[in-house]
Amino acid sequence: DVKVTQSSRYLVKRTGEKVFLECVQDMDHENMFWYRQDPGLGLRLIYFSYDVKMKEKGDIPEGYSVSREKKERFSLILESASTNQTSMYLCASFGRGPGNTIYFGEGSWLTVV
Amino acid sequence: AQKITQTQPGMFVQEKEAVTLDCTYDTSDPSYGLFWYKQPSSGEMIFLIYQGSYDQQNATEGRYSLNFQKARKSANLVISASQLGDSAMYFCAMRGIGGNQFYFGTGTSLTVIP
Repeated sequence: DVKVTQSSRYLVKRTGEKVFLECVQDMDHENMFWYRQDPGLGLRLIYFSYDVKMKEKGDIPEGYSVSREKKERFSLILESASTNQTSMYLCASFGRGPGNTIYFGEGSWLTVV
Repeated sequence: AQKITQTQPGMFVQEKEAVTLDCTYDTSDPSYGLFWYKQPSSGEMIFLIYQGSYDQQNATEGRYSLNFQKARKSANLVISASQLGDSAMYFCAMRGIGGNQFYFGTGTSLTVIP
């Protein structure tokens, strides 16, 4: 059974804190993603990575950074959390092949107070 | 540029009735894949159905079918015999062949009424 696991389901952090969201996939996928989901805005791509140590900015990278030291792990970092980063964060991965679907983690609900 | 458009923010359907969720797309890729996902209130994204751009027949998976009209660049999801458990957000997505990104629409919230 394929799996994308996000380390935290619910987090509450204070403004200015450094926040780490971890994601691990067990499918040997090359491509991994971090999305942010807000009501009415759908899924917005923050960063993606198509290989170890590679990263590309998505549509809304400001305020975020990422790390991919191992193929199976992709971390999202909020260097200094702000209230406007309160959101649901989804990690995803997919492999090669046109019909391969994208697999998602269960989501991390982050509240910054 | 790749783009997915879902124009229905919210839809209601009576239990046991069929419902169509609209999706149009824009791409210059000659080959691409179209996907639909369901997101219940719990948050997880569930893959429902896939259609390849060169597939001759519309995809079907149980009560889900994809009404693919290539010339119109539409990929509507049809849910037959709606159930209360179908109440969720539904996202249409596209992947370009050889591309390394998925493009998502803004979603449609479906509510099934008993």
